[in-house]
Amino acid sequence: AQSVTQLGSHVSVSEGALVLLRCNYSSSVPPYLFWYVQYPNQGLQLLLKYTTGATLVKGINGFEAEFKKSETSFHLTKPSAHMSDAAEYFCAVSASRSNYKLTFGKGTLLTVNP
Amino acid sequence: EAGVTQFPSHSVIEKGQTVTLRCDPISGHDNLYWYRRVMGKEIKFLLHFVKESKQDESGMPNNRFLAERTGGTYSTLKVQPAELEDSGVYFCASSQAHRGDGQPQHFGDGTRLSIL
Repeated sequence: AQSVTQLGSHVSVSEGALVLLRCNYSSSVPPYLFWYVQYPNQGLQLLLKYTTGATLVKGINGFEAEFKKSETSFHLTKPSAHMSDAAEYFCAVSASRSNYKLTFGKGTLLTVNP
Repeated sequence: EAGVTQFPSHSVIEKGQTVTLRCDPISGHDNLYWYRRVMGKEIKFLLHFVKESKQDESGMPNNRFLAERTGGTYSTLKVQPAELEDSGVYFCASSQAHRGDGQPQHFGDGTRLSIL
């Protein structure tokens, strides 16, 4: 079974500041890990994914995440926040090679202040 | 290419009525998923189709929910009769055939269902 914990339901940063959204997972098998973003009144858009190989993955809009097996973490970062980054972010896990359904965290609402 | 399309975008019905949600996946995607987000809670898996077959329906709440995927193309999710706790946003997602490489799921905009 898989589970995801996103620390902080609401994160507020200033424009130009570092964005750090935390995600810890639990999985009994090697996981696939994903970050999705949801803008108001839209569906979920894939930001980035980790399957195998390089543990630092780069996504769209300048976001990246690092898979740390020892810490069971997959935190999302962006060096400099833009106003357009304001949205809700979801971390998700699926079991590799078998059950592909996604298990989501509760989401983190990112607010960017001018 | 067209993305995942869901219809309607909003539905407001009274308790006891029937509602049918529709999802059109990306053309050629064998995998189709339904998820639901109840207000204040996380997005939860409902079921997974591979073509026209139900691969996993472990997340379906109860027998008031019926999902179909005719001919392996579009899918419908029917709630009959609707109860207050069924309110939420229902998302559909699709992905290509799995090759063990983590094919990402592409999501529709969701259907916001309100039961009065």
